[in-house]
Amino acid sequence: ETGVTQTPRHLVMGMTNKKSLKCEQHLGHNAMYWYKQSAKKPLELMFVYNFKEQTENNSVPSRFSPECPNSSHLFLHLHTLQPEDSALYLCASSQEGSGSNEQFFGPGTRLTVL
Amino acid sequence: GESVGLHLPTLSVQEGDNSIINCAYSNSASDYFIWYKQESGKGPQFIIDIRSNMDKRQGQRVTVLLNKTVKHLSLQIAATQPGDSAVYFCAEAYGNNRLAFGKGNQVVVIP
Repeated sequence: ETGVTQTPRHLVMGMTNKKSLKCEQHLGHNAMYWYKQSAKKPLELMFVYNFKEQTENNSVPSRFSPECPNSSHLFLHLHTLQPEDSALYLCASSQEGSGSNEQFFGPGTRLTVL
Repeated sequence: GESVGLHLPTLSVQEGDNSIINCAYSNSASDYFIWYKQESGKGPQFIIDIRSNMDKRQGQRVTVLLNKTVKHLSLQIAATQPGDSAVYFCAEAYGNNRLAFGKGNQVVVIP
C-alpha cells in the first residue's frame, strides 16, 4: 500500500448505529487530519493530530469521536449520527516541520446516514 | 482561516484548448497557496503550489499565477485533456500546517 488509504470506501448507517472509519498513511508523516466534504461547500477541517496528540477540534459535535493510536493510523468513531452528517469524509496526512504545507489525501469514505 | 473562494462553478473547455481557473482569497498575510485536483471517486491530489514571494510558477502543463495586490490566484492548464476533467480547489495556508479550501470549480473537457 502506498499513500493514504481509507476504509470503508462506502458506508450506509442508521441514526442509532455505531461505526468507525479508518485511515492509514504509509508516508511516514507526523500529522493526520479528518475533513468533511459536503456538496457545494468547501472542505471542512474537523480534527488534527500531531504526533498522536489532538491539536485541533473545529467545534465538531461529540457524535464524532477521533482516535489516533499511532502516527500512522487515524480513526473516526461515529454514533447517533444525523442525516445531515451524510458526506464524504477525507483523511489527510502531512509532515509538520518540513517547510511544506502540502497535505496528502486518501480517497475518502462516502457516508450515508438514513 | 479566512475565506477562500472560486469565481466560476463550472468551466467547459474543448479538448486541446487552454483552461483558466480563478480563485480569490482574503487573508493578505497568507504566504502559501496550493491547487488541488479532485477526480470523481478520489481524494484531492496536489497539482502545484506557490509561495507569496513569487508571482508565477510553472509545472507540467500547469501554471499558477499569484497577484497579491488584488489577492487573486489562478491556475492555467495548457492543452486540456479529457483526464483534466475534475474539480479544482485552491487552498490557502494559515497557522501551523492548516489549509483553508475554496468551494471548488468543476472543469469539463469536451472531446
